[in-house]
Amino acid sequence: AQSVTQLDSHVSVSEGTPVLLRCNYSSSYSPSLFWYVQHPNKGLQLLLKYTSAATLVKGINGFEAEFKKSETSFHLTKPSAHMSDAAEYFCVVTPSGGYNKLIFGAGTRLAVHP
Amino acid sequence: DTGVSQDPRHKITKRGQNVTFRCDPISEHNRLYWYRQTLGQGPEFLTYFQNEAQLEKSRLLSDRFSAERPKGSFSTLEIQRTEQGDSAMYLCASSFSVGTEETQYFGPGTRLLVL
Repeated sequence: AQSVTQLDSHVSVSEGTPVLLRCNYSSSYSPSLFWYVQHPNKGLQLLLKYTSAATLVKGINGFEAEFKKSETSFHLTKPSAHMSDAAEYFCVVTPSGGYNKLIFGAGTRLAVHP
Repeated sequence: DTGVSQDPRHKITKRGQNVTFRCDPISEHNRLYWYRQTLGQGPEFLTYFQNEAQLEKSRLLSDRFSAERPKGSFSTLEIQRTEQGDSAMYLCASSFSVGTEETQYFGPGTRLLVL
């Protein structure tokens, strides 16, 4: 069965400092992995996705994630946080080779302080 | 804007009442998904449609829940005899599936409160 574990429920950073949101996955198949962001009162927005191409994936708003099969990790990073990055972030997995439901982690709430 | 839309955005109802939510997917998207998100949790899959066919239902979808996508376009999710435990955000997503490549685009959700 597929699952994701987001290792931190809350992360707090200062504006201009790096962001690291951690995600480990479990999958019997070669997975597809995603990061979605959810701002208050807004829909989920896709940040980036990994689908077995390059292991370093670049997304929108300066975010990127690296797929590490040996560590079963897909951590999300950004070199410099902006106030507008404050939101809930979800790591998501789905098995490749046929597609259906997304399996979400519990989420990491990112706070950005001035 | 041609994104996924959901109606209503908020719904307050009394326990035992029936409610119906609507989702309009992005035009030409052949797949439509429903998820439920409770406070402090990630969304959980409920069901999905390929065109008008409902292909998978989660065990979360009790007999009180029914979903339709009659013409392969918009979809409705009905909850009969609502319970307080049904209070949640109901999210709809759509995608255009080509082989194994697919990205789901989410609507803003319908927040349900059952009193």
